[in-house]
Amino acid sequence: GQQLNQSPQSMFIQEGEDVSMNCTSSSIFNTWLWYKQEPGEGPVLLIALYKAGELTSNGRLTAQFGITRKDSFLNISASIPSDVGIYFCAGPSGKQVYSGGGADGLTFGKGTHLIIQP
Amino acid sequence: GAGVSQSPRYKVTKRGQDVALRCDPISGHVSLYWYRQALGQGPEFLTYFNYEAQQDKSGLPNDRFSAERPEGSISTLTIQRTEQRDSAMYRCASSLDLAGATYNEQFFGPGTRLTVL
Repeated sequence: GQQLNQSPQSMFIQEGEDVSMNCTSSSIFNTWLWYKQEPGEGPVLLIALYKAGELTSNGRLTAQFGITRKDSFLNISASIPSDVGIYFCAGPSGKQVYSGGGADGLTFGKGTHLIIQP
Repeated sequence: GAGVSQSPRYKVTKRGQDVALRCDPISGHVSLYWYRQALGQGPEFLTYFNYEAQQDKSGLPNDRFSAERPEGSISTLTIQRTEQRDSAMYRCASSLDLAGATYNEQFFGPGTRLTVL
């Protein structure tokens, strides 16, 4: 099946630093998603990417859909304490049995743990 | 408004017992998904529904796992004859199903932490 490989597995940074993480796949994805999960909560969507080469921002977060459609990158600028959490990349499995719209199970990476030291 | 809710939040059971986990999606969301998340891993897709129809159950690990959504709203994930390896966080998500949308955002619930002793 599809697998998403995220790196790094964890990051220990100082507040104010910029963060970069990436996600690669052995197969092509037509949509790339970045989620954040905080302790005790479910994942929350940060950014969705739909087109190869697309660069999308959400505040201090910027994500890119790789040209090969097999990778994606997430950058966080000027990190703050509330950025702490686990960041997951994800993509639809591509089965879309139901043709009514974009409903599909997601494949997730293993996550990048971001820890910020004050 | 209310998000996705799941109950119970924690379930401890003995090996061999059956468990039923409940998911109440966001009102108006026609698609409902079940995932399992082991410690230190990302969520792993199990199955999903459009209204009451189960569209994809390819992620269910074996025939001890089943899910239903009889009225197209609340869903139940049932695990029969539980085993220790079933211990995990079970998460539910729901989404709209906008025709023509490339992707309909899935909103996740807080999960049910299942521990099988």
